[in-house]
Amino acid sequence: QQPVQSPQAVILREGEDAVINCSSSKALYSVHWYRQKHGEAPVFLMILLKGGEQKGHDKISASFNEKKQQSSLYLTASQLSYSGTYFCGTESSDWNTDKLIFGTGTRLQVFP
Amino acid sequence: NAGVTQTPKFRILKIGQSMTLQCTQDMNHNYMYWYRQDPGMGLKLIYYSVGAGITDKGEVPNGYNVSRSTTEDFPLRLELAAPSQTSVYFCASSYSSIWTSMKDEQYFGPGTRLTVT
Repeated sequence: QQPVQSPQAVILREGEDAVINCSSSKALYSVHWYRQKHGEAPVFLMILLKGGEQKGHDKISASFNEKKQQSSLYLTASQLSYSGTYFCGTESSDWNTDKLIFGTGTRLQVFP
Repeated sequence: NAGVTQTPKFRILKIGQSMTLQCTQDMNHNYMYWYRQDPGMGLKLIYYSVGAGITDKGEVPNGYNVSRSTTEDFPLRLELAAPSQTSVYFCASSYSSIWTSMKDEQYFGPGTRLTVT
């Protein structure tokens, strides 16, 4: 089942902060975060694993609440380059593969 | 490394025609995926492969077929194209080791924009 992302869209001024949430109805093994700019392919941001392991960029942080089956992506001191659509991809604990189900996305626009 | 390459970049098909979307990766990744993305929507998994000779269905496999005869290549075949298959198609690859719990990131190709009229 497709994870639900909130909010659907965010508008920020440079330097402001934002939080993007991803919620699943299934028990999760991992959550992946990607950013996609218009007309381009998605680009990797972060992976969070059950048990606390993480891999990602230094300037972006995220959390994974396994009990609530939720993840949040924290964008602090936003820059113009942060604009794009953010997708979470969830891997269910039902199958331990790299099969990700992506959310509907959160569109982020950062203005000067 | 070229990463993940896809051909063609654009294609217009008539209803009922068939075609193959090509995907190649040079990173020696064991996992490969095909996604479709409709305008303003998220990514839907069509098929994926965990290694040469092994493929499995994703969320939306109807109307598509795949094969994985080599580690590098993962072509997607559309039979009897329909307007509902108008979309942008992304191929991706990743590496996953059976020895660690760490899941590696997926690397996406530039996409193929397909229109069926």
